Parts: sequence; C-alpha cells; structure tokens
Amino acid sequence: AAGVIQSPRHLIKEKRETATLKCYPIPRHDTVYWYQQGPGQDPQFLISFYEKMQSDKGSIPDRFSAQQFSDYHSELNMSSLELGDSALYFCASSLAKSSYEQYFGPGTRLTVT
Amino acid sequence: AQSVTQLGSHVSVSEGALVLLRCNYSSSVPPYLFWYVQYPNQGLQLLLKYTSAATLVKGINGFEAEFKKSETSFHLTKPSAHMSDAAEYFCAVDYNQGGKLIFGQGTELSVKP
Repeated sequence: AAGVIQSPRHLIKEKRETATLKCYPIPRHDTVYWYQQGPGQDPQFLISFYEKMQSDKGSIPDRFSAQQFSDYHSELNMSSLELGDSALYFCASSLAKSSYEQYFGPGTRLTVT
Repeated sequence: AQSVTQLGSHVSVSEGALVLLRCNYSSSVPPYLFWYVQYPNQGLQLLLKYTSAATLVKGINGFEAEFKKSETSFHLTKPSAHMSDAAEYFCAVDYNQGGKLIFGQGTELSVKP
C-alpha cells in the first residue's frame, strides 16, 4: 500500500539559511499534519491542513510557514534557520472522516550547523 | 492543560513475558487515543486506536489496549514479548477529535533474551 512520502530524507543547512520540506500524503487522504521531533523528545504538533486550508496550528515558529496544494501535497518552509531547529520533521496524513487516523511518513532529518 | 503521561521512560522485559506500557490522559471527555511505535531512525507506525467504540482495542503485532474512562487510562499490553518488539512506544491523544495529536514522552521497551 502507498505510504506518506517525504523529501528530502536528510537535509543539512547553515544558520540563517532557508529550507523547504515536502510531503506527499497517501492517495485520497485530505488532511496533512506536520510534527517536529527533537532529539530524544516526543513529536510536537506544528500545523495541519484540511482540503488545502489551515485547520489547526500548534507551536510553530513565525519563521516557519506551510501550505497544502491542489494535489494535496504539502510544503513546510523554514527561514532564518537556528541551531535549535535541528530535528526530525514528520508529515502525517489522514482521511478526516475516518476518525483522523494518522499515517506518518519516514521523516526528514534536518541538521542546522 | 491537556497532557499525556506515560509512566516509565524505560521498560525492560524478558522475551516471552507480559508487556505493559502505561498511558494516562487528562480530560473528563473521552478523546481519541492512539499508540504508535517508532523503531530507530524510522517514522511512527500506528499500533491501534480508540475512537469511542469497543473499550478493548486490538492492534497489530499482538498488541492490545483497554480504554478505562474511570481511570483516564489507555494502557498497552502484549501477552508475550518478542525481541522484535524492542522500540520506542508513544501514546498520543486527540483531545478535540479534530486531528491534532498530543504525544506522551515515550517509553523505550527493551526485550532481554
């Protein structure tokens, strides 16, 4: 079965640079979520989109923005990167009508140097 | 504040022994509840979910969890541990039944031969 695809899998950036993470949900899933998992920590909810509209927002820094496109893929844009942004970024997708059962991608490991 | 508590950051069991991982949530209204497993350097895999149907939920790999409203708990069990069960386990709660997951701190399960 098709899973959530994230690209790139690994990304190395320097401080103050920008990064764009991409997420391709499971076909027919209408909702996308972004989570950030720091080293040794639990995932923290950043933002979600339903039918291309932002549906909920968590502890996402103002330096970050995201959107969901017409083909339902989503991009997380991160600017003015800081060392503390180094983390594993997960995208998950779900079908809103199925109790929001979320399926996670493999994650993008971002390292800021 | 809405939170998720997993008692024990590390649990060690012998192969063939009972696995019990504890999770408590903080709400008087039953939320959606999930257990995820994470292997090193991998994404989160859904083990099982509770969405107000049967209180005893069966998941993949022989895991099950019981929702107890009176105890605000959703503990994960498996009758007989296998070496391949060694991983990090996260309890997650969707308090608003709208998709935003709040994760517990995680429990690292070790299985001794």
